[in-house]
Amino acid sequence: EVQLVESGGGVVQPGGSLRLSCAASGFTFDDYAMHWVRQAPGKGLEWVSLISGDGGSTYYADSVKGRFTISRDNSKNSLYLQMNSLRTEDTALYYCAKANSGWYAFDIWGQGTMVTVSS
Amino acid sequence: QSALTQPASVSGSPGQSITISCTGTSSDVGSYNLVSWYQQHPGKAPKLMIYEVSKRPSGVSNRFSGSKSGNTASLTISGLQAEDEADYYCCSYAGSSISWVFGGGTKLTVL
Repeated sequence: EVQLVESGGGVVQPGGSLRLSCAASGFTFDDYAMHWVRQAPGKGLEWVSLISGDGGSTYYADSVKGRFTISRDNSKNSLYLQMNSLRTEDTALYYCAKANSGWYAFDIWGQGTMVTVSS
Repeated sequence: QSALTQPASVSGSPGQSITISCTGTSSDVGSYNLVSWYQQHPGKAPKLMIYEVSKRPSGVSNRFSGSKSGNTASLTISGLQAEDEADYYCCSYAGSSISWVFGGGTKLTVL
């Protein structure tokens, strides 16, 4: 069964840092690009970041560029999101999502991990 | 990048058909046949329903179909069923700096 399981969320003060993880199973992890997508409470979806299958290419939404870093460890079938200089507007449920074979759609999603930025 | 524009809500009776629109710009929806649609039930993760404007992933009912004209994409659900009641989000590749943009979401109510 194809599965993504996120972890690492929690409550952090503004300006703080947090590292999210996503454990993948049921597919050949390094064959696929991976995304992070977030959803603020009661709001819509927002694309955050993409990493290629080999980890050599990374892309970010303007709202997180320079503060967040996406990475992956293909030997551990794991995806990460290092979040620094967190702001209250970063409060959201963070999903990891597998890109489909064409990169441009998100065909498998995890259940999400909640990040709350509050003083 | 501005969010794509979707109606906040739509409704229909069981058995009817409904269409949800998704309006972008010539920089996203209008430039690429890379629009996807996601269904999200309350408290659940989104589920891919349509990709590349009109393609259905394996396992998705053929009651769901997608199309695009100019800067506007559409999702049509035929033969509405109670289980279709959910939030629906469109998404488009936005090119240029390699990014994706979502719509604000549409709440579908099955009357």
